[in-house]
Amino acid sequence: EVQLLESGGGFVQPGGCLRLSCVASGFTLRSSAMSWVRQAPGKGLEWVSVIYSGGSSTNYADSVRGRFTISRDDSKNMLFLQMNSLRVEDTAVYHCAKAVAWNDEVRWFDPWGQGTLVTVSS
Amino acid sequence: EIVLTQSPGTLSLSLGERATLSCRASQSVSSGYLVWYQQKPGQAPRLLIYAASSRATGIPDRFSGSGSGTDFTLTISRLEPEDFAVYYCQQYGSSPVTFGQGTKVEIK
Repeated sequence: EVQLLESGGGFVQPGGCLRLSCVASGFTLRSSAMSWVRQAPGKGLEWVSVIYSGGSSTNYADSVRGRFTISRDDSKNMLFLQMNSLRVEDTAVYHCAKAVAWNDEVRWFDPWGQGTLVTVSS
Repeated sequence: EIVLTQSPGTLSLSLGERATLSCRASQSVSSGYLVWYQQKPGQAPRLLIYAASSRATGIPDRFSGSGSGTDFTLTISRLEPEDFAVYYCQQYGSSPVTFGQGTKVEIK
């Protein structure tokens, strides 16, 4: 069974940083594009970032570009999101998801992890 | 970026009834590149439909998708207890991918 399990969320003050992790099981991360998608409390979904297989190509939403960094460790089947200069508006549940992608474009996400909550507040 | 507007915000229906959910795009979604997800409280979103009308693996045939251009529809032919959830559409025809704000299907 394909599963994704996130960790690393928590409470942080504005300007702080957090590192999220996602461990994959049931499939080989190496051959997959992977994404982070977030969901603010009571709100909809927002794509955050993608890293393509091979790890050299990444992309970010404008709202996080320059502050967040996505990376992967294929040997451990893990995905990461380093979040710096956090803002109140970054408060959300962060889901990692296996991305269906072609022509270096993210298409959709399947499956998703349950997510880890990041709260940014003073 | 393409803005997706879902309607209604909440749909109150009884078991066995038909649910029709709408997703309207601010500009044409190329090639019908639209998916639908289902999300239950505290759970991860689950892929239902891709390419506007193709069911994902393991999705019951009471779920169907249709539409093109700017107007898309998710139909649940006969609501089962496990279908009460929030449904999101997402387009992938234009970068960045964007999501609608969701439609909640609740028990009447």
